[in-house]
Amino acid sequence: GAVVSQHPSWVICKSGTSVKIECRSLDFQATTMFWYRQFPKQSLMLMATSNEGSKATYEQGVEKDKFLINHASLTLSTLTVTSAHPEDSSFYICSADRQGPSGEQYFGPGTRLTVT
Amino acid sequence: AQSVTQPDIHITVSEGASLELRCNYSYGATPYLFWYVQSPGQGLQLLLKYFSGDTLVQGIKGFEAEFKRSQSSFNLRKPSVHWSDAAEYFCAVRPKAAGNKLTFGGGTRVLVKP
Repeated sequence: GAVVSQHPSWVICKSGTSVKIECRSLDFQATTMFWYRQFPKQSLMLMATSNEGSKATYEQGVEKDKFLINHASLTLSTLTVTSAHPEDSSFYICSADRQGPSGEQYFGPGTRLTVT
Repeated sequence: AQSVTQPDIHITVSEGASLELRCNYSYGATPYLFWYVQSPGQGLQLLLKYFSGDTLVQGIKGFEAEFKRSQSSFNLRKPSVHWSDAAEYFCAVRPKAAGNKLTFGGGTRVLVKP
């Protein structure tokens, strides 16, 4: 099956610092990856769509200068939370779109970010 | 407006009893339909999906879902629940003609009583 990894699985950082989260598709190529944010006991909210070799597409209300997305290869997308604040603390999940008719996204295990 | 609704926020069921989780969607045309399960602190695992054809879909872990066009519903069922089924369940849809974005319902948390 298709495997998507995320690193780190959890991170604690101080307010004002930046944090980078990696999302990798381990056994397939993904031209499109997605970044979601999930607050405790809530559903997943799509933050942005990451396209290999082009700029990411952000959902309404998501600050593109705060959440920097880079999709430099067909197997790696990164999300950088810049100048993190405690309200950025959340569970961040990525998914990768495997090309083909299945229309299925494969999800990573998530990254727990805590900003102190 | 396009939306996905899971009316039940919490469901408590006894081990061995049957389970049904509701999902309703509001879209102009039938989208692709998915059910995912999430254990605490984990990512999402796909249980099953519906694209077309047979409206009763079989998934992993003994789950099945039935698509009912007339009711715009895609309810998830399991005949006999195991304690390991305690988790959060999300219904998701992807419009066929609008790229590949998924929209998730609010989720239903399932608690299993011994």
